[in-house]
Amino acid sequence: DAGVIQSPRHEVTEMGQEVTLRCKPISGHDYLFWYRQTMMRGLELLIYFNNNVPIDDSGMPEDRFSAKMPNASFSTLKIQPSEPRDSAVYFCASRPSSMNTEAFFGQGTRLTVV
Amino acid sequence: GNSVTQMEGPVTLSEEAFLTINCTYTATGYPSLFWYVQYPGEGLQLLLKATKADDKGSNKGFEATYRKETTSFHLEKGSVQVSDSAVYFCALRTAGGGNKLTFGTGTQLKVEL
Repeated sequence: DAGVIQSPRHEVTEMGQEVTLRCKPISGHDYLFWYRQTMMRGLELLIYFNNNVPIDDSGMPEDRFSAKMPNASFSTLKIQPSEPRDSAVYFCASRPSSMNTEAFFGQGTRLTVV
Repeated sequence: GNSVTQMEGPVTLSEEAFLTINCTYTATGYPSLFWYVQYPGEGLQLLLKATKADDKGSNKGFEATYRKETTSFHLEKGSVQVSDSAVYFCALRTAGGGNKLTFGTGTQLKVEL
């Protein structure tokens, strides 16, 4: 398996534009997580899905952020409109159902909003 | 709620030095504990884990023991290498925590020749 695949790896956009980040989890994994990493706040969980259903979105910073998982092999995180303070590295992770298994992370998308 | 506290970095060591990165936690229930490593420009990778008290996780010369009495999971390595330079994250997960990982703030390790 190729692991968790995220695209794009880097994104530079202007303030006010819509940004869509994409994630393909590992096949067979039931859980998918979106994290944001910044120097100031470290790693923050934004939202996670179980069997394509959003379970906890309490970490989503505000209404400008939305996430979807239309099927088991694809998820998106959308920011509309984007702001400079959204600049961060966004990670997607997935794991199977078994409680004691670890989460596998993608390589992240580095987002810069100018 | 759940929380993880790590020693602040950066930590700078000479090659072959002994490494300890402290990690303590607060959790409801009985957590599983993890150490993840992030190399420059990459995502997080699991380094080791322990799922119950007194378990010792180990990998690539790193070790950590799940200490319930002190709510700690300190990371150790007897002899670090330059290639160990990375950011290390302690994390926990509880069944009651919605299956989500709670991370510490990360500790940057720099190993010099």
